[in-house]
Order: sequence, then structure tokens, then C-alpha cells
Amino acid sequence: NAGVTQTPKFRILKIGQSMTLQCTQDMNHNYMYWYRQDPGMGLKLIYYSVGAGITDKGEVPNGYNVSRSTTEDFPLRLELAAPSQTSVYFCASSPLGNEQFFGPGTRLTVL
Amino acid sequence: AQSVTQLGSHVSVSEGALVLLRCNYSSSVPPYLFWYVQYPNQGLQLLLKYTSAATLVKGINGFEAEFKKSETSFHLTKPSAHMSDAAEYFCAVSKGTYKYIFGTGTRLKVLA
Repeated sequence: NAGVTQTPKFRILKIGQSMTLQCTQDMNHNYMYWYRQDPGMGLKLIYYSVGAGITDKGEVPNGYNVSRSTTEDFPLRLELAAPSQTSVYFCASSPLGNEQFFGPGTRLTVL
Repeated sequence: AQSVTQLGSHVSVSEGALVLLRCNYSSSVPPYLFWYVQYPNQGLQLLLKYTSAATLVKGINGFEAEFKKSETSFHLTKPSAHMSDAAEYFCAVSKGTYKYIFGTGTRLKVLA
């Protein structure tokens, strides 16, 4: 099993550009999550999904969108990138909404 | 509302010394509690979890944590630090739902 994979690993965006962060898991987990990690701030939940076709907002959803058309994939869309979205983004999945398995992260810089 | 407080954003210990990383939580119901470790440029990896079974929980790499309801604490310990333990450690709480609240993290430095 590859576990949770994320692409790209690094990306630099200009202000106002858009992009999609990809997340795929091969463990057949129902629950999937997107977090952002900023220095000294821990992890903040952006969006989560409890199954294909079902998504909901977390603590910091503004400026982001998600979709969940399959169990495996949970892409995160950034529209109109802003410097405040410079962060490290982690995707995670969970079989029962308990222990979470994390991907390696995407480091995004918005200039 | 749930919250998690990790005391000390940076902790330094000598190799072979006791590691103690502190975590206090607030929750109106018995929570699920977790410790994760993050090595540089990697994702988070589960160290151990408390889910209302034994109050002393043993995890990977020689770490353990004790759930103390009276103190609302879930401190992480390891008897003897190793250089490879240098990393950032996160405490997290869940009320049995599928959403976590993470602490702000403690960066552990191990001195030779």
C-alpha cells in the first residue's frame, strides 16, 4: 500500500492564480481531511469528508474548495491564491474517524 | 468546546535523559487522545492513542503516555532520549467524533 499520497510536493503560485492539490489514498478509508500547518500554530482543519459525495467545512475553509467523487481522491482547490495561503498542506485519511494517516505534505508559497 | 494545550513549544534534553512533553485538554466528555510525531519535511505519524481502555498507553519507539482525568492531562514520556527522537510532537483530542483538535506542537531537541 502506498498509503496517502499528495502531489505536488512543492509549488510557488503568484497572487490570484489557482491550483489543485491532489490527495489519494489506497486504504479504502471513508474519512478524509485537509489541514494546513503554519509555524507555531499546529494543524488547522480546512475541509473534511465522511464518504464519497459528502464534504463539510472545518475551522479555516475560506479561500478553498473540495470535492469527493470517489473514495480514493480528495482534491483541494485554491481559487485566487493569496499570500495568507502560504503554508504546508496535509491530507489525511481515517478508516473509522479515529486514527488518522497523513500524507507527506505539499509546501505552497504564494508570492 | 474542546481545546488542547501543549506547554513548551521547545524542549531540550540530553541524550539518555528523561523526555517529558506536556499536554492538557479540555473536554466536556471523556475524549480520545493522541500523540503524533513529525520528523522534518514529513507528515505526522501516530505514536500512541488513548481510547478509554488502559490509562497508561504504550506507543512506538519506547514512548508512553498516561491519561489523568483529574488533571485533564495526557503527558508523553520516554525514559531515555535518543538522538533519533528529535522531532516535533503534537497532542490531539477528539470527542469520539471524526474531527480532531491539535495542539500547537512541541519541538524536541536532543543534545549529545
